[in-house]
Amino acid sequence: GAVVSQHPSRVICKSGTSVKIECRSLDFQATTMFWYRQFPKQSLMLMATSNEGSKATYEQGVEKDKFLINHASLTLSTLTVTSAHPEDSSFYICSAGQGAGNTIYFGEGSWLTVV
Amino acid sequence: DQQVKQNSPSLSVQEGRISILNCDYTNSMFDYFLWYKKYPAEGPTFLISISSIKDKNEDGRFTVFLNKSAKHLSLHIVPSQPGDSAVYFCAARPYNQGGKLIFGQGTELSVKP
Repeated sequence: GAVVSQHPSRVICKSGTSVKIECRSLDFQATTMFWYRQFPKQSLMLMATSNEGSKATYEQGVEKDKFLINHASLTLSTLTVTSAHPEDSSFYICSAGQGAGNTIYFGEGSWLTVV
Repeated sequence: DQQVKQNSPSLSVQEGRISILNCDYTNSMFDYFLWYKKYPAEGPTFLISISSIKDKNEDGRFTVFLNKSAKHLSLHIVPSQPGDSAVYFCAARPYNQGGKLIFGQGTELSVKP
């Protein structure tokens, strides 16, 4: 079964609104989670590292005020796309590492369509 | 600047034959390399990984080879099955950066019956 779960799997929102995507680690605690985005037929690009209890670390070129990340507990990180525009339409995926070997599991992904 | 590259966007193989997926990297500061299988609109599924201190890791039908001098790794699937058809991503983990991964562009594998 899934060890990392995302919700919602699909969301459509109007341009200018905000949308929140949740990422949960199931049955394990994750002090760090990672958010990626993937455009159709392209690679997964790391957006940011979500750190429990502290600020997220954003990759170069990712607007922190646009993509708000909150990691309030050891099992939940949220990504909020603020003032969404059609160009934000993409597949957003989160991941978390488990165990000493740091096996990395990915969520199911969330399709965001901004109309 | 693409640090992890998969230069073949697609690969077609006959069922039962070997599939070889290739990946090159430009940065020596990776401690693990991983292969993921992905279907459209789904998250990646972990297949197999290899530590940078190894040159081979095998798990069932999947074997990953690492050639550090050439900065090249490959995933061998044998025998290939139609259910293996998917996009395969190579990923590299930078040293001491936890679960952060750098992905290649992906190779779409099609296994024909």
